[in-house]
Amino acid sequence: SSELTQDPAVSVALGQTVRITCQGDSLRSYYASWYQQKPGQAPVLVIYGKNNRPSGIPDRFSGSSSGNTASLTITGAQAEDEADYYCNSRDSSGNHQFGGGTKLTVL
Amino acid sequence: QVQLQQSGPGLVKPSQTLSLTCAISGDSVSSNSAAWNWIRQSPSRGLEWLGRTYYRSKWYNDYAVSVKSRITINPDTSKNQFSLQLNSVTPEDTAVYYCAREVGYYDSSVKTYYFDYWGQGTLVTVSS
Repeated sequence: SSELTQDPAVSVALGQTVRITCQGDSLRSYYASWYQQKPGQAPVLVIYGKNNRPSGIPDRFSGSSSGNTASLTITGAQAEDEADYYCNSRDSSGNHQFGGGTKLTVL
Repeated sequence: QVQLQQSGPGLVKPSQTLSLTCAISGDSVSSNSAAWNWIRQSPSRGLEWLGRTYYRSKWYNDYAVSVKSRITINPDTSKNQFSLQLNSVTPEDTAVYYCAREVGYYDSSVKTYYFDYWGQGTLVTVSS
C-alpha cells in the first residue's frame, strides 16, 4: 500500500483551475515530484523540487508544498491534460514511494 | 538527450527468473550524479519502486523491502546499461516494468529526487 495518499479522481471544467494533492510524512523532509501518465504510455515528469518544470512542460503546471502535503495545480486545464497523475518522494531510508494516482477528467 | 531502451522477454513462467535490460544513451551508468532505477506498474499495486544501482566512487544498490530477497540490479559498464533480475516469480509479478534515471539535488535547502527519463516499458506476464 502507498504511504503517499492521493484522491482517486478529480474533475475540472475546461479552462478552469484544478489542484491535485498528495499527503505523506516523507513530504516533511523531501519535495515531491509529479508525473503525468496517459494510457499506454510511460509516466512523464511534470513538476520537481520546490516548483520546477522540465523543458517542454507548459507553465500552466505548478507545484507547491506545505507540511506533509504537496500539491500540483493546473491553471487553465486543457483537454490534453486529462490523464493520471502520480506523486513520488523518497523516504528516510532512501527508498521511493508513489501515491496511488489521481485520475483527472477534463469536462 | 538521455534515452533508455528496454529489452527482455514478455512472458516468464512461474518460479523462473524475470530478466530485463535497460540500455542508456546520452549519459553513463557510471555517472556520479544519477541513479538507475527499476519501477513496475500493475492495476493491483499501482506504481511500485523496485530498486536502484548507482556509482559514487564505488557501486551501491538499494532495493524495496517487498522484493529484497528476490531482486538483483547490476550495472554493465562495457555496454552502458543496467539489468533487472527478479527470481522466483509468481503471477503477482505480472506488470509493466520501467527503467528510469533518478537525479537529486537540494532545492532551497530541501532534498529533492525525481525520475526525469523513463524507458518505454515492458509488459511482463508471469504465466505457465
